[in-house]
Amino acid sequence: EADIYQTPRYLVIGTGKKITLECSQTMGHDKMYWYQQDPGMELHLIHYSYGVNSTEKGDLSSESTVSRIRTEHFPLTLESARPSHTSQYLCASGPGYNEQFFGPGTRLTVL
Amino acid sequence: GNSVTQMEGPVTLSEEAFLTINCTYTATGYPSLFWYVQYPGEGLQLLLKATKADDKGSNKGFEATYRKETTSFHLEKGSVQVSDSAVYFCALKGSARQLTFGSGTQLTVLP
Repeated sequence: EADIYQTPRYLVIGTGKKITLECSQTMGHDKMYWYQQDPGMELHLIHYSYGVNSTEKGDLSSESTVSRIRTEHFPLTLESARPSHTSQYLCASGPGYNEQFFGPGTRLTVL
Repeated sequence: GNSVTQMEGPVTLSEEAFLTINCTYTATGYPSLFWYVQYPGEGLQLLLKATKADDKGSNKGFEATYRKETTSFHLEKGSVQVSDSAVYFCALKGSARQLTFGSGTQLTVLP
């Protein structure tokens, strides 16, 4: 079993609020990723990190930001949530560039 | 660039039926290929993988063979169970450092 955690699992919040989605892993993986999963289930890579102090934007443009101050922690922040941000957010990590271990996801609803 | 095309769902089968979910890919070089599964309310889990042509990945009764001549990696299981109901994602790792995922196929198995 992979040890990767996401909190909260569910979040309902009003427009304009600042939110941070937490992701932590205890496996010592250098590589970490954030995906947005739309209702049709397709996955879109929005951010990734290959190590501490290294972050990159993914294929899908996102208004969110990430940080990687510690190996085990990769939080995602939305400064001002909007209804268009409503989605499922999945965090993943991996020891290399092949296999990825996924967290359970955060389902975000912005009213 | 890399791309993965999956059989469109949803797929509905009766218990003990034979399952095939088609997956074809476009990539340069010799990608590694994966099948991930997402059970309801959870993140993705690696189901099986193959790293070179003619390799067969297998796990939990599922199999897929890496066919370079047809650029395919079809998922099969001889007798599905209700507990196999999930979304299945085909993915590849090519020269880029990120995984490329297919759009997912929803499988429902009826008792």
